[in-house]
Amino acid sequence: EVQLVQSGAEVKKPGESLKISCKGSGYSFTSYWIGWVRQMPGKGLEWMGIIYPGDSDTRYSPSFQGQVTISADKSISTSYLQWSSLKASDTAMYYCARRSGRIPDYWGQGTLVTVSS
Amino acid sequence: QSALTQPASVSGSPGQSITISCTGTSSDIGGYNYVSWYQQHPGKAPKLMIYDVSNRPSGVSNRFSGSKSGNTASLTISGLQTEDEADYFCSSYTSTSTVGEVLFGGGTKLTVL
Repeated sequence: EVQLVQSGAEVKKPGESLKISCKGSGYSFTSYWIGWVRQMPGKGLEWMGIIYPGDSDTRYSPSFQGQVTISADKSISTSYLQWSSLKASDTAMYYCARRSGRIPDYWGQGTLVTVSS
Repeated sequence: QSALTQPASVSGSPGQSITISCTGTSSDIGGYNYVSWYQQHPGKAPKLMIYDVSNRPSGVSNRFSGSKSGNTASLTISGLQTEDEADYFCSSYTSTSTVGEVLFGGGTKLTVL
């Protein structure tokens, strides 16, 4: 069974750093792209970027380029999304999703990130 | 405002059929057959229900069907059941480089009365 399991909810202060994770199982982790998706409170979903764990090829949506870093450790089948300096506007639910063909098929359960002073 | 437009809510009675629309442009829905639909129950991960406009993954009920006409895609659920009550959102590949490669709809809350 394909599963993507994300790390738990985080509460951080502005300016702090954060790294959240997404662990894949039940499939060949290095053979599928993993994407990250943001959902701000009351808003729709936004595609942030994508990584191919096989060779760490990473592509960012223009709105998120320079704002976050996507990485992967194929030895433990895990992808990461990280911030070096959080802002209140980073408060959102973040999902990882496996891409099959051109579309996301399996999704993680989401990680809620709250940034507040 | 989401890139793909969906109605905020739809409702139906058990046994009835409902259709949820998803409107985009010629750069996404109209230009490619890479439309997908997801079901999301509260607190749960989204679940793929339809991919490539009209294909169902293994294990998804044939009560769920998808179609596309021009720049608008549609999800139809027939024989509504109480467990179908959830949020549904659409997705499409896009060639518009300024938004990344995937666009999503804002989601539609389905209420089964």
